[in-house]
Amino acid sequence: DAGVIQSPRHEVTEMGQEVTLRCKPISGHDYLFWYRQTMMRGLELLIYFNNNVPIDDSGMPEDRFSAKMPNASFSTLKIQPSEPRDSAVYFCASSFDGGRNQPQHFGDGTRLSIL
Amino acid sequence: GDSVTQMEGPVTLSEEAFLTINCTYTATGYPSLFWYVQYPGEGLQLLLKATKADDKGSNKGFEATYRKETTSFHLEKGSVQVSDSAVYFCALFFYNQGGKLIFGQGTELSVKP
Repeated sequence: DAGVIQSPRHEVTEMGQEVTLRCKPISGHDYLFWYRQTMMRGLELLIYFNNNVPIDDSGMPEDRFSAKMPNASFSTLKIQPSEPRDSAVYFCASSFDGGRNQPQHFGDGTRLSIL
Repeated sequence: GDSVTQMEGPVTLSEEAFLTINCTYTATGYPSLFWYVQYPGEGLQLLLKATKADDKGSNKGFEATYRKETTSFHLEKGSVQVSDSAVYFCALFFYNQGGKLIFGQGTELSVKP
């Protein structure tokens, strides 16, 4: 079975540009999570969805960040405008029950560099 | 609020040494507890879990026991290998409006031959 698929794997762009990260969860999973990982702050949950509905976006750092899940098989995380401090590895994860009894399955991440 | 605290890394060991990575938690109720592992260049993957007090999770030679009295879930392995070099995350499941995992800050393990 295909796992969680993220694209692109690497993104380098200049400050001020719009960045869109994409995620395809595992088929049948009801939950989708976006995380950010940096050396300074570790792994942070940005937002998560249940049945395509955003449940908790308290981790979204500011209005420059937005996330959507238009259907069960696709989600995007957008940063506009991007800033150098947004440089990080962004992970998408999906699961059946949020991770309570079944694991969260992570993609391989998007390594984002803002110059 | 609910939280997880892990011992700071990096932890550097020689091959075949004994490993302990400490994890303690603060939570209301009785959360499920997990260890996830992240190998270089990859996302996290579940290593083991325990869903109630005194449960022992185990996988790939790693073990952790859910200790309610000490609110701990320490990860142990009797003999580490170079291939165990990774970052290890302790986590608890927080049920609120659907549920999410709360992760510790991660502990980097480096095993030298």
